[in-house]
Amino acid sequence: NAGVTQTPKFRVLKTGQSMTLLCAQDMNHEYMYWYRQDPGMGLRLIHYSVGEGTTAKGEVPDGYNVSRLKKQNFLLGLESAAPSQTSVYFCASSYGQADTQYFGPGTRLTVL
Amino acid sequence: KNEVEQSPQNLTAQEGEFITINCSYSVGISALHWLQQHPGGGIVSLFMLSSGKKKHGRLIATINIQEKHSSLHITASHPRDSAVYICAALGGNQFYFGTGTSLTVIP
Repeated sequence: NAGVTQTPKFRVLKTGQSMTLLCAQDMNHEYMYWYRQDPGMGLRLIHYSVGEGTTAKGEVPDGYNVSRLKKQNFLLGLESAAPSQTSVYFCASSYGQADTQYFGPGTRLTVL
Repeated sequence: KNEVEQSPQNLTAQEGEFITINCSYSVGISALHWLQQHPGGGIVSLFMLSSGKKKHGRLIATINIQEKHSSLHITASHPRDSAVYICAALGGNQFYFGTGTSLTVIP
């Protein structure tokens, strides 16, 4: 099993550009999450999904959109990137809400 | 104010020492998660607990729901334990994360 994978691992964008981050899991997990991690701050939840076709907002959803068209994939989109979105993005998945979360390796995004 | 507070923020220990990291939370929770973030950035789940105590190797996690407090203990610490330890409280539909405790174990 690959666990949770994220692509790309690194990306540099210019302000206003768009991109999509892909998270994939092969553990048949229902729950998937997108977090961002910034220096001096804890992980913050951007959006999450409790199953295929469902999404919900987390703590910091503004400027991001998500989709879960297939159970194994959870996509995070930035329509018009801003420097404030420079961060490390982690995807995670779990079987249930109170179950262990498995994290991807992270994507380091820089917006110039 | 953060819903989850960890202490200490930074901790340096000699190899072999017993280590305690504390986590206090202000929200009502159904579970609490301890995570380890390696120097390379990868995040690994250590424990998920909703009551009592769990043990895995040299790691022990406890939680006191009434006092809204959890502790992570490391016995016989080793340099490979050097990492950032993060606690996350599951309240409602989301996790609230602490900012982490950076642990350095010196040989």
